[in-house]
Amino acid sequence: GAVVSQHPSWVICKSGTSVKIECRSLDFQATTMFWYRQFPKQSLMLMATSNEGSKATYEQGVEKDKFLINHASLTLSTLTVTSAHPEDSSFYICSALPDRHLATNEKLFFGSGTQLSVL
Amino acid sequence: AQTVTQSQPEMSVQEAETVTLSCTYDTSESNYYLFWYKQPPSRQMILVIRQEAYKQQNATENRFSVNFQKAAKSFSLKISDSQLGDTAMYFCAFMKRPLRMDSSYKLIFGSGTRLLVRP
Repeated sequence: GAVVSQHPSWVICKSGTSVKIECRSLDFQATTMFWYRQFPKQSLMLMATSNEGSKATYEQGVEKDKFLINHASLTLSTLTVTSAHPEDSSFYICSALPDRHLATNEKLFFGSGTQLSVL
Repeated sequence: AQTVTQSQPEMSVQEAETVTLSCTYDTSESNYYLFWYKQPPSRQMILVIRQEAYKQQNATENRFSVNFQKAAKSFSLKISDSQLGDTAMYFCAFMKRPLRMDSSYKLIFGSGTRLLVRP
């Protein structure tokens, strides 16, 4: 099956520093990837849609300058949390839609998530 | 805008018994997909079952089946012969099927139902 690799699994950083999270599709190309945020015991909230070769589309209320998204290639999207603060502490999950999505019955494949803790 | 509602925050079932998780959604779209995802303590999102809105036949995957009532906008998940490994958070999700290849495949999640399978 299709695999999405997300790194790091967890990260602890000091307030004011920036943290980069990588999302890679290992065995398929993905023009479109998604970034979600999940607070403890809550649902996944879509933050943004990452598009290879173009700017990301952010959901309402998500700060573009705080959460920088770069979709550098057809297999890699990165989320950078800039000047992180304790309120940014959360579980971040990426997902990818294979370019040949019709062949995969239009399923999204998820990374294993990144737990960010900002001290 | 689409919304997904899961009215049962927590459910409990005895091992080997059957349990049904409820989900309702609201949309004006006619072409869409519905999903049930499982999130165990590892927090890896796992696709349980998928239903295309244009199909009247309810999807089944081994012990998992759905009751899809399009007119009522209801999409419940039935788990038969519950196993301890079924203990997890279950999310109902909606995805509009875009009309064009370059449109976004956004996945909208419900608030989740925590299922505990008792030995």
